[in-house]
Order: sequence, then structure tokens, then C-alpha cells
Amino acid sequence: GAVVSQHPSWVICKSGTSVKIECRSLDFQATTMFWYRQFPKQSLMLMATSNEGSKATYEQGVEKDKFLINHASLTLSTLTVTSAHPEDSSFYICSPGGAGANVLTFGAGSRLTVL
Amino acid sequence: GENVEQHPSTLSVQEGDSAVIKCTYSDSASNYFPWYKQELGKRPQLIIDIRSNVGEKKDQRIAVTLNKTAKHFSLHITETQPEDSAVYFCAASRGGGADGLTFGKGTHLIIQP
Repeated sequence: GAVVSQHPSWVICKSGTSVKIECRSLDFQATTMFWYRQFPKQSLMLMATSNEGSKATYEQGVEKDKFLINHASLTLSTLTVTSAHPEDSSFYICSPGGAGANVLTFGAGSRLTVL
Repeated sequence: GENVEQHPSTLSVQEGDSAVIKCTYSDSASNYFPWYKQELGKRPQLIIDIRSNVGEKKDQRIAVTLNKTAKHFSLHITETQPEDSAVYFCAASRGGGADGLTFGKGTHLIIQP
């Protein structure tokens, strides 16, 4: 699977601020990037799928205006949590995909805590 | 969309015994079924996967079986060791790298010494 670099690994912010999470696919041309969210003691849930150069597709119940995804290149995708609130506190994980991605691996995850 | 059910939610076995975790899926178009191990605070790690053209796959102490007709697949861990303690997730997708994964709710495997 792809080697993935995700930053930051953890972030604490005040309510109302925005946080940007970066995901880099180091050895694979990721035409697709999957973004997941995992609340404590729960499973991973797919939030959105982004395709390089086009708009992301969001899963039902995920606000596209709150979770801004940019996938401008084959190696970098970003997730921005805008106007974060305590209920957005979660573990956010990226996973590069697309044609040729036979195995799906994950970034190390970003643990967001909103005070 | 796809729905993946996973059982049991917690499984406690004696060290050296076998552990079996079962999952069912709903989308007959799903053709890729990975299993992930997640330790506390870390990313999920792929431990084994199976595609729909195969009924069984084995890698040392870990094996996965797939029954496409019944839409269920299982993870088998033999000769369990303390380091096998973790949360295990099954997942399903239509494969091809273009579709995201739908995960089961996870099984907390506890290996009793």
C-alpha cells in the first residue's frame, strides 16, 4: 500500500477556529483521497471522497461547508475543519486511493480536540 | 449503500487458543474485504484481505474466509499471543481503489495470559 504522511498528529484549538489537516501520498499518485472520522471507541466512518482536480463527494450527514477538502495535486490533499466546535473533536484519518490502489492504507491520523 | 455487521463486539480468549470474528455485508457488488488491526491511538493496520474471486486466504496464523453467496466473511487467528490484543475491524468495498471502505463496528480482542 501507499506510504502516507499526515500532519498534524494532534491539535488542540478553541471553539470557532479553523484547523487544516494535510495528507501526503509519498510513493503513489493518489487520484482519489478518502477522509475518515473516528470518534472514541467507535468505528471509522467515511466522510468524503476527493478526486484530484475536482470537487469532493461527501457522505450523507457530513456538511461540505464545514469540512473543506482540497485535492489540488496527486500527492497532497487537505481537510479544513471550519469554525470547529467541541462535537468535531475526533480522530481524522486519510487514505489514498484511485486506479492502481490495490491495498488501502491510512495516514497516522490527526487527533483534533476542540475546547 | 453498503452495511457491514461485525460480531462479537468483545472477544476474550486464552493465550494459545483460536479467535474467530465474523462479518456480514449487504452490497452484492462489494468485492474487496480487508481486515484491520488497530491499537489504541494508532492508525488501522491492514493484516489480511480477500477478494471475491477467492474463498480463503491464509498468512501464517491469520486466515480469512469468504462466502459470497451468504455475504459473510470471517477472520481466524490461531495460536493467539498477547500482542494480538487490539481492536479488529472488517471492511468492504467495491474495490478498484476508487471506492471507500465501509467498516464494521469493531471487535475488541482480549488475549488472557
